[in-house]
Amino acid sequence: QKEVEQNSGPLSVPEGAIASLNCTYSDRVSQSFFWYRQYSGKSPELIMSIYSNGDKEDGRFTAQLNKASQYVSLLIRDSQPSDSATYLCAALRFGNEKLTFGTGTRLTIIP
Amino acid sequence: SAVISQKPSRDICQRGTSLTIQCQVDSQVTMMFWYRQQPGQSLTLIATANQGSEATYESGFVIDKFPISRPNLTFSTLTVSNLSPEDSSIYLCSVVGSGRVSEQYFGPGTRLTVT
Repeated sequence: QKEVEQNSGPLSVPEGAIASLNCTYSDRVSQSFFWYRQYSGKSPELIMSIYSNGDKEDGRFTAQLNKASQYVSLLIRDSQPSDSATYLCAALRFGNEKLTFGTGTRLTIIP
Repeated sequence: SAVISQKPSRDICQRGTSLTIQCQVDSQVTMMFWYRQQPGQSLTLIATANQGSEATYESGFVIDKFPISRPNLTFSTLTVSNLSPEDSSIYLCSVVGSGRVSEQYFGPGTRLTVT
């Protein structure tokens, strides 16, 4: 079982709709979670971090964490074509600065 | 977040040669890492670049193949030695930001093609 798992997609969402990206993790010691956006040919860009159970909102993005279910999600509201990218979920163990990445979900927003 | 630059941005190298990649940060950072991203794949951590001491390598990566230097808190190099086509990847450095704990930021990457 991979430490961080994501559906590779591709996930296609109409423009203006909500895109929902999901991630599960196997290591219960994981404490912090991150969502990165990676455009084709570019390096990953940190868009959200979440450390506590519940929701964290930043503009059109909402990260959700459920430690009991070992589940992290990213919601993108009012999806735009510019949101089309690969989204990487990453987990960090407490006291360890090493990120473990999922394989990424390719998101396409359809105009 | 810190501004991170990498040189070269891309290179084409012949089998058996080596490539040294530089990572420069505009501020002092404690933690710096090197990752590899093979075509169509996610990121894999190669090593943690430790200032003033030997790098800490992840399973499957060895110093002879991926020697790393970190002479100070703003600069590091990764050398990929004895290149083979399987080394064709994007190599990225990352740093832990000085703000929120544990948030990592990536450099623009170096795209290596081995022929």
